[in-house]
Amino acid sequence: GENVEQHPSTLSVQEGDSAVIKCTYSDSASNYFPWYKQELGKRPQLIIDIRSNVGEKKDQRIAVTLNKTAKHFSLHITETQPEDSAVYFCAASRPGAGSYQLTFGKGTKLSVIP
Amino acid sequence: GAVVSQHPSWVICKSGTSVKIECRSLDFQATTMFWYRQFPKQSLMLMATSNEGSKATYEQGVEKDKFLINHASLTLSTLTVTSAHPEDSSFYICSARLGGSTSTQYFGPGTRLTVL
Repeated sequence: GENVEQHPSTLSVQEGDSAVIKCTYSDSASNYFPWYKQELGKRPQLIIDIRSNVGEKKDQRIAVTLNKTAKHFSLHITETQPEDSAVYFCAASRPGAGSYQLTFGKGTKLSVIP
Repeated sequence: GAVVSQHPSWVICKSGTSVKIECRSLDFQATTMFWYRQFPKQSLMLMATSNEGSKATYEQGVEKDKFLINHASLTLSTLTVTSAHPEDSSFYICSARLGGSTSTQYFGPGTRLTVL
């Protein structure tokens, strides 16, 4: 089955700096890679996703890059703000696998220091 | 759009009782719903995949007789924790998939279960 590794497990940055979280996946058939943000006690919220036919996607301060050959994808947050502090999860899915199940990374706790 | 609700948001019950958690897709029909369990400071652990009108598929190590899942309609799935014990205390989250070939899942707000 799919295995998703996520690094780092914790990340502290100064407000205004950039943050980068990296994930690798094992199943070359995976073609969908979402990123979720989860605040303490709240639901995971989809913040950006990318499909395997695209190498990069950007939405304001958030971008995701995908390297299919190396089987890794990364989340980039620029101009970080205190409200970006949360746990971020990456995930991977392949078509038809268990009704499109997502395999999650272990999460990265991002702290943005004012 | 793509709003998922979950009820109750928290529940406290005595050991040995059963608890039912509802997951609803409010503004779309969900072909597939998923149930996750999340321990503090850990990732989401998939418990089961639920397709409307068919039996749920449970992940390895998840007892199907203990965690009963019913997906009676395209907008409602329920998880019943039977004969709950303190070790079942956890944060249970459902998600719903829009259907077709899309993999996007939208999550409910979660249910905090505490078994005394």
